[in-house]
Amino acid sequence: GAGVSQSPRYKVAKRGQDVALRCDPISGHVSLFWYQQALGQGPEFLTYFQNEAQLDKSGLPSDRFFAERPEGSVSTLKIQRTQQEDSAVYLCASSLVDFNSPLHFGNGTRLTVT
Amino acid sequence: GENVEQHPSTLSVQEGDSAVIKCTYSDSASNYFPWYKQELGKGPQLIIDIRSNVGEKKDQRIAVTLNKTAKHFSLHITETQPEDSAVYFCAALRGGTYKYIFGTGTRLKVLA
Repeated sequence: GAGVSQSPRYKVAKRGQDVALRCDPISGHVSLFWYQQALGQGPEFLTYFQNEAQLDKSGLPSDRFFAERPEGSVSTLKIQRTQQEDSAVYLCASSLVDFNSPLHFGNGTRLTVT
Repeated sequence: GENVEQHPSTLSVQEGDSAVIKCTYSDSASNYFPWYKQELGKGPQLIIDIRSNVGEKKDQRIAVTLNKTAKHFSLHITETQPEDSAVYFCAALRGGTYKYIFGTGTRLKVLA
């Protein structure tokens, strides 16, 4: 594809609901990242995939957060029992290879938990 | 932990003037330094990057300089235009790793 695509662009969830955020990376990109961006802040690392393998999930805030990339392309970030502090923009990025390769970001999903 | 400090947090310049944003990193093993521009409602877009084996890189009105000894790097935008208005993020990456450390961002306003 032309770029990294994320859906939905906006999501409003009531506290306690589960949400699923989707990321379509650039075709052929090996690496896929999820970042969380709070208002007025830089992106904060959540998790990293190399193809279908989740190599690092050290940034996930709690066990309510779960990410997968079962076929090494599309990825889903799931948040269970959402809390107000989960409100943020969730950015997906992909890169061609594993290390020292430029990141290409999607436009993010803005999650608001009411 | 490793961090990247970015200054200033906001910057206003007149159209046509230059803008400079500075970042300082703590991990001496960092060897790749990209700059991203983020417009409202969009994701960060890579505008220029530099690797540790060079001291300066230019691309039209944008340039980045790197001082490895002092562990800081800067973004220079010349002849600024209103469409340069955005939030700019610097980042640092340690060699052989994938975990970028981002600065806190600079909101640049170019006044017409």
